[in-house]
Amino acid sequence: EPEVTQTPSHQVTQMGQEVILRCVPISNHLYFYWYRQILGQKVEFLVSFYNNEISEKSEIFDDQFSVERPDGSNFTLKIRSTKLEDSAMYFCASSESRNEQFFGPGTRLTVL
Amino acid sequence: QKEVEQNSGPLSVPEGAIASLNCTYSDRGSQSFFWYRQYSGKSPELIMSIYSNGDKEDGRFTAQLNKASQYVSLLIRDSQPSDSATYLCATNSGNTPLVFGKGTRLSVIA
Repeated sequence: EPEVTQTPSHQVTQMGQEVILRCVPISNHLYFYWYRQILGQKVEFLVSFYNNEISEKSEIFDDQFSVERPDGSNFTLKIRSTKLEDSAMYFCASSESRNEQFFGPGTRLTVL
Repeated sequence: QKEVEQNSGPLSVPEGAIASLNCTYSDRGSQSFFWYRQYSGKSPELIMSIYSNGDKEDGRFTAQLNKASQYVSLLIRDSQPSDSATYLCATNSGNTPLVFGKGTRLSVIA
């Protein structure tokens, strides 16, 4: 069964460093999302991406964040200058329509 | 502010019993409703979706939707220890992102 994949599974970085989180959505899906979940808290929406552009973003998704689809398969989330409060699980999701979204296994980001 | 509310639990049920999980939402424009299961340290796994009032059954799972009361529920029949997880309720309205509740932690006691 097709699934969303994410790399790395765990990323440790120093505050102020740039990180790139990578995702490979399900191949025939058209809509891509990034969510994050701080330990013990809700899953929060960051950004959605369709037709090679951002379709919606949350207040969390400020200028330090960016997304890119550099080729036909990868979908990346870049955090330019990480802060301690960026420590969280980051989930990529994809959907064929705007309904059912399927999540990848996540990247645990730890900012020291 | 769109909100999805769930009792955080833990909800403890004996093996073989029916587990009943509930969710309310604030946005009357919500059109799609989802239940995700999340094991500790893992990602949300979609287990049910429901779009119209009434019941939808899939194996041991039944989702129930009442838009007038802004209420969604999930019933798990013949609960198994492997069902022990946090169950997340989520909604959206067509072109909007998913809004998640904080989840209800279910513990099935063998």
